[in-house]
Formats: sequence, C-alpha cells, structure tokens
Amino acid sequence: EAGVVQSPRYKIIEKKQPVAFWCNPISGHNTLYWYLQNLGQGPELLIRYENEEAVDDSQLPKDRFSAERLKGVDSTLKIQPAELGDSAVYLCASSRQGGETQYFGPGTRLLVL
Amino acid sequence: AQTVTQSQPEMSVQEAETVTLSCTYDTSESNYYLFWYKQPPSRQMILVIRQEAYKQQNATENRFSVNFQKAAKSFSLKISDSQLGDTAMYFCAFTPTDSWGKLQFGAGTQVVVTP
Repeated sequence: EAGVVQSPRYKIIEKKQPVAFWCNPISGHNTLYWYLQNLGQGPELLIRYENEEAVDDSQLPKDRFSAERLKGVDSTLKIQPAELGDSAVYLCASSRQGGETQYFGPGTRLLVL
Repeated sequence: AQTVTQSQPEMSVQEAETVTLSCTYDTSESNYYLFWYKQPPSRQMILVIRQEAYKQQNATENRFSVNFQKAAKSFSLKISDSQLGDTAMYFCAFTPTDSWGKLQFGAGTQVVVTP
C-alpha cells in the first residue's frame, strides 16, 4: 500500500510570492489533514477534510492561506502572499475516517527569504 | 482545552539499553486516544504505538511499550534494546474520540542512540 505522497519536498521562495503544496492521501482514506510544524515543535492542525468538505479550518489563517480537496482525493494548500514567518514544514496526513490513526507524508519544507 | 507535555527535551541512550520517555496530558474527556509518533531526520512522521483510553492493558509493539496511567494522565513510552535506527524525535499526541482526529502534539523528545 502506497503511503501519503507530498510534493514538492523542498521549496524556496521570496517573500510575497505565492506557493502551493500538493498531497495525495492513502487510497481509501476519507479524512485528510494539513499540519504546520515549526522548527523544534510538534505539528499543529491547519485544516481537516472529510471527503471534499473542510470540517475544521479554525486554525487556518484565511487571509493568506487557502486549501481545497476537489473530488475528495488530492488536496492543495496555498499561501499567497508568503511571509518570512511561514518558513516551516507542512505535513499532510490521512486516515480512513476521522478519529482513526493518521498516517503522515514526508512533508514539504518551505523556506521564505 | 487539551494540552500535552513532554518534559524531556533530549534523552541519550546506548545501544541495547532501555530508555523511557515521559508524557502527561490534561483533559476533561473520558474517551480518547493516545499515540507516540517517531520523526527521524528524514522528517517522515511514523506511528510507533497507539493506546485507547478505555483499555486498561498497556499497548506493546515489539520493542516499544507504554505505561498508561489514566488517573495520573500519564503516558510514557519505553524503548527496549535500543538500536541506532531509533534515533529520532518522539512526539506524544492526544485526541478525544469525539474530535474526529484533531491531534494535539507535545513538543517532542529527541532520542539519541549511541554505539
């Protein structure tokens, strides 16, 4: 069984530029999560999808962050415009259903200059 | 609000020895899940072990076992016969069963296994 796939693995951009991250969950997993992990800290949930519906986006900074999960499979997380403080690792995870064990992708390391 | 506390920023252990990582959590919920995840330098977060709060028996997974003390809200991880590949950051995580998977993570404990 293939794991959670994320791309790109690394991204370097200048501040004020847009950036997008892509996630493909494990086949059959209905729930998809995006987490933000700052250096030396544990991940923090940004948004959770049940199929194509965003059911928890309370921690997503909506002025510059957006996400979508069309057709309830792949998901894209976007930042526009990026700020220096957005430099972090963005993790995607999926589970069969909400509340079940989450499996994580390798993450995208973002550096904003 | 739920919080997860890992009080040990770093632990060092020699190969073949045993190390125990501590984790405490604060919640008013009675039903929840607890997890230990491992994050090696490659940054892939890997599930180590899972414990359901309603189960009194401590979970085990090969060389990994937990000591779950529900009344004390404590959830420690024991790594036996440590191997070099165990070197990683270990995160304790918590989710109430009715939160549909909103994981709360601790700050992590860096485990370094030395030859």
